Amino acid sequence: AQTVTQSQPEMSVQEAETVTLSCTYDTSENNYYLFWYKQPPSRQMILVIRQEAYKQQNATENRFSVNFQKAAKSFSLKISDSQLGDTAMYFCAFMKYAGANSKLTFGKGITLSVRP
Amino acid sequence: DAGVTQSPTHLIKTRGQQVTLRCSPISGHKSVSWYQQVLGQGPQFIFQYYEKEERGRGNFPDRFSARQFPNYSSELNVNALLLGDSALYLCASSLWFQIQGKISEAFFGQGTRLTVV
Repeated sequence: AQTVTQSQPEMSVQEAETVTLSCTYDTSENNYYLFWYKQPPSRQMILVIRQEAYKQQNATENRFSVNFQKAAKSFSLKISDSQLGDTAMYFCAFMKYAGANSKLTFGKGITLSVRP
Repeated sequence: DAGVTQSPTHLIKTRGQQVTLRCSPISGHKSVSWYQQVLGQGPQFIFQYYEKEERGRGNFPDRFSARQFPNYSSELNVNALLLGDSALYLCASSLWFQIQGKISEAFFGQGTRLTVV
C-alpha cells in the first residue's frame, strides 16, 4: 500500500516571498503520478501541479514548481511570489495509474497562510 | 460547462439515521469516485465507479454503499450513522485516460458537509 506523508501541519509566508511545502511518499511501484492539490475555504479541491514519475524534469506551472526526487521519494512544492489567494490547505497525492481503477492517496495536508 | 455538482451542500443527521449523498459528474465523464475528508485530515478513498460498475473500495465498513446510474451520476449511502461519520464527502469525476504518459485530471465537487449529532 502507498502512503503519503506531509509532516508540516502549518506554514506561513509573507506576500511576494517564496515558500516550499514538503511531501514524502512510500511505494514499491515504479510508474506512478504525483499531484499537489489546493483546497481553499470554498472546499473545492483544485489541481495545482502534477508530475509523472518517469520524467526526470521537474514540473512547473507559472509560480508553482516541484522538486521531485524519485530515489528519495520526495515531492516538494515551491510557490514563488506568494499571493493572498494562495492561502489554503495543500495536499500531496499519489496515484498508480490503473485505468478506471485508479485512485488517489492523499497526505494529511498543510495549512498555508499568506500574510499581507 | 458545469463542473462536478454535489447535493446537498450541508446536512445534519442524528446517530442511527441513514443518509444519501448525490453527485453529478462532468458531462462525458464515466468515472465517479467518493472520498471522505475528516476535519484536519486528507481525503480517504471510499469508492470508485466506472460505467456503473464498482471498480474499487476503500477500507470502510459495509454501512457505506454506493451506486452509479446510467447517466453516470452517483449516490453514496451511509446507514446507521455514527458520530465519526461526520466529515466532508467529496466526489470526483474523471475520464481516467492515459495518452503518451500523460494522465487526465480528476475534477472534484465542492463536497457535502455531513454532521452527525
